[in-house]
Amino acid sequence: DVKVTQSSRYLVKRTGEKVFLECVQDMDHENMFWYRQDPGLGLRLIYFSYDVKMKEKGDIPEGYSVSREKKERFSLILESASTNQTSMYLCASSLRRSYLHFGNGTRLTVT
Amino acid sequence: DAKTTQPPSMDCAEGRAANLPCNHSTISGNEYVYWYRQIHSQGPQYIIHGLKNNETNEMASLIITEDRKSSTLILPHATLRDTAVYYCIVWYSGGGADGLTFGKGTHLIIQP
Repeated sequence: DVKVTQSSRYLVKRTGEKVFLECVQDMDHENMFWYRQDPGLGLRLIYFSYDVKMKEKGDIPEGYSVSREKKERFSLILESASTNQTSMYLCASSLRRSYLHFGNGTRLTVT
Repeated sequence: DAKTTQPPSMDCAEGRAANLPCNHSTISGNEYVYWYRQIHSQGPQYIIHGLKNNETNEMASLIITEDRKSSTLILPHATLRDTAVYYCIVWYSGGGADGLTFGKGTHLIIQP
């Protein structure tokens, strides 16, 4: 079974801090994704990576960056966290032409 | 923005078939229709996908209209554990990120 592991289930950070959210998948998937989920807004794509060191912006990339130095790991970076980035963050991975496997999410609170 | 539209909520009696519709009128020829569901406090889970033919697996059936502008997910014998938010997306993996934003989905409530 594919496993997508997000490093933290809950995270509390202060405004202005640099925040790293880590995601690891164990099935050699080419694609990896970062989403945020807010009540009433569904899941919105932040960034998509289709290969090591390759990335593509999603719908809401502002205030975020990503890093994919190894195939199995995809990091989401909040350069200077703000309260409006309080949200549930979901990571996913997939084979090149297949469906997404999601992790269970990181609930980030920025105070 | 999501490329699909779904009703915000639906009810279904336990043991009956649940039919969840999805409109995707701008779907292009190489885009697949994918269905996922999300149970509270978990990440979304893949259910089924298809291109133009109807598909069935152990979880559900997917009916895609001939013009491919809409589809229906069928849970043949709904149970209380099927209560969840169901998302429909259309995506072609060779097209990059376009289509990967999930809308608000349909909150399906199975009534005992």
